[in-house]
Amino acid sequence: DGGITQSPKYLFRKEGQNVTLSCEQNLNHDAMYWYRQDPGQGLRLIYYSQIVNDFQKGDIAEGYSVSREKKESFPLTVTSAQKNPTAFYLCASSTPPDRATDTQYFGPGTRLTVL
Amino acid sequence: DAKTTQPPSMDCAEGRAANLPCNHSTISGNEYVYWYRQIHSQGPQYIIHGLKNNETNEMASLIITEDRKSSTLILPHATLRDTAVYYCIVRVDTGGGADGLTFGKGTHLIIQP
Repeated sequence: DGGITQSPKYLFRKEGQNVTLSCEQNLNHDAMYWYRQDPGQGLRLIYYSQIVNDFQKGDIAEGYSVSREKKESFPLTVTSAQKNPTAFYLCASSTPPDRATDTQYFGPGTRLTVL
Repeated sequence: DAKTTQPPSMDCAEGRAANLPCNHSTISGNEYVYWYRQIHSQGPQYIIHGLKNNETNEMASLIITEDRKSSTLILPHATLRDTAVYYCIVRVDTGGGADGLTFGKGTHLIIQP
């Protein structure tokens, strides 16, 4: 099946530890994204990548880092510098945008709890 | 990207049509209207999008007013599985560059049995 996978579904970490969230897609999409969602809120963009070896900061990039070494993978590291890391993290991908089909496909999410 | 306004919540009886409104009075000519939905604790799911004309697919219909300042998403025969938060997003065509979507709080649609 084609799709986006995120692992693990639930993740617990101690305060002060870095943690890396996995995102893999086999849809052959060029663009990938990371969003954060807090309870009762919409999604906020953390980072996005249009092609391999290139990525851009989103609206709330502070305290996060990413890499894009392979087309299929876009891991997100939540560093100890992120003040409130507990949240639901969503990864998405999309095809090269054209005027009619720039839609994003989302993974199931990872719920991170920092104790 | 233009901002959108949606009611925070709506109820609909199972089997009836669910009509979800969205205001986007500052939309510009090159902005599309997208709808996504998010079932509790899952990733958002794309539903439909349009520019000027009404659109229909297997999930829903999108009605955009002639002045494009508002739109309505129609789920023709709502089922309990349609209970979700529905997001209306207006998005400029970036002409070759992919950037993120701006999600507001959406409308929490509750389908009643």
